[in-house]
Amino acid sequence: KAGVTQTPRYLIKTRGQQVTLSCSPISGHRSVSWYQQTPGQGLQFLFEYFSETQRNKGNFPGRFSGRQFSNSRSEMNVSTLELGDSALYLCASSLVYPSGGIQETQYFGPGTRLLVL
Amino acid sequence: KNEVEQSPQNLTAQEGEFITINCSYSVGISALHWLQQHPGGGIVSLFMLSSGKKKHGRLIATINIQEKHSSLHITASHPRDSAVYICAVGLKAAGNKLTFGGGTRVLVKP
Repeated sequence: KAGVTQTPRYLIKTRGQQVTLSCSPISGHRSVSWYQQTPGQGLQFLFEYFSETQRNKGNFPGRFSGRQFSNSRSEMNVSTLELGDSALYLCASSLVYPSGGIQETQYFGPGTRLLVL
Repeated sequence: KNEVEQSPQNLTAQEGEFITINCSYSVGISALHWLQQHPGGGIVSLFMLSSGKKKHGRLIATINIQEKHSSLHITASHPRDSAVYICAVGLKAAGNKLTFGGGTRVLVKP
């Protein structure tokens, strides 16, 4: 099976712009989670989607949003970019819904490295 | 205080040495994950534990639920084990969303 894919891999934007990142999960996986990794804050949970519904959300401002499509592919959007949004954005997929009480191994994509100038 | 604490932050070992990384957490969890991140960013899930011990090749992970502590051991370390190892817990009180430790940077010298 193909692994989790993320596009684009690298992105440079300027402050105030918006960006959309895409994640394609492993075939058959219905849960997609997004994470932000920065040198200062480490890895932080952004949100999780299962069957097109956001099931869980981290402590990020409303500028960060996401969605999941019927084929389980997911996108996240960051509007009005700030310098502090520069980070590696990772998505991970799992077979079932982790927040449903069942812990499943998460399979991570290679990440999208976003630089905001 | 962070909900997940890892130690040490950095570790240098000679090839062949036994390595231990520790993870302590302060809240109720549904499971604990050990992740490996190589330079370039890719993350691989090594183990998911809710009790006891798991072994995969030269890697062993243990968890003590009562003491809220987990360890990741690398036996007969090799330079290819050089990576950042990250502990993450699924928080029961937060819908099992993952909360991460700060990571342990491991360098194995030949």
